[in-house]
Amino acid sequence: NAGVTQTPKFQVLKTGQSMTLQCAQDMNHEYMSWYRQDPGMGLRLIHYSVGAGITDQGEVPNGYNVSRSTTEDFPLRLLSAAPSQTSVYFCASSLAGAGTEAFFGQGTRLTVV
Amino acid sequence: TQLLEQSPQFLSIQEGENLTVYCNSSSVFSSLQWYRQEPGEGPVLLVTVVTGGEVKKLKRLTFQFGDARKDSSLHITAAQPGDTGLYLCAGEETSGSRLTFGEGTQLTVNP
Repeated sequence: NAGVTQTPKFQVLKTGQSMTLQCAQDMNHEYMSWYRQDPGMGLRLIHYSVGAGITDQGEVPNGYNVSRSTTEDFPLRLLSAAPSQTSVYFCASSLAGAGTEAFFGQGTRLTVV
Repeated sequence: TQLLEQSPQFLSIQEGENLTVYCNSSSVFSSLQWYRQEPGEGPVLLVTVVTGGEVKKLKRLTFQFGDARKDSSLHITAAQPGDTGLYLCAGEETSGSRLTFGEGTQLTVNP
């Protein structure tokens, strides 16, 4: 079972570069989300989607774009990378409805120099 | 965004000791989830509590949801080195499926 797959696992960017973090799930989950994890700050929600064609902003959306053209894929785009975006990024998916389990990918460790 | 405060942030104990991790908020959540995260991996769900006052046990781990659904605790009895990891609480907002995470508790159990 693949679950939630994130690529790449590691990435180094120069300030100002753009890139896309890929996320795919094979569980037919309606709900997908992107988090960033920084030391001492838990996971903070960047963007989320409740279904194909629907996206919304989370707690820290600035500098990031998302789209959801299919149920399976939810890419995260960094428009112009900044050192403040150095972090570990996690994609998660879950069924819609209260109390459902969120399944996480293994994360992408991004360094912006 | 609803906030969750988790404490303590760091905890280092000896094998066999008991410990409790707390997760507090001024907001009501529709459910409260506890996750555990290993280095280099994503969080993995341990338990979900939904009803105010609910208590769930998972072997040596006991989870409790406050009566008002604003707080939760995780109690580990007779901790073992295998319990070492980052424990995260996450509250599901009443307005939808959004999860708000606490800051996490890094637990180290020394043999």
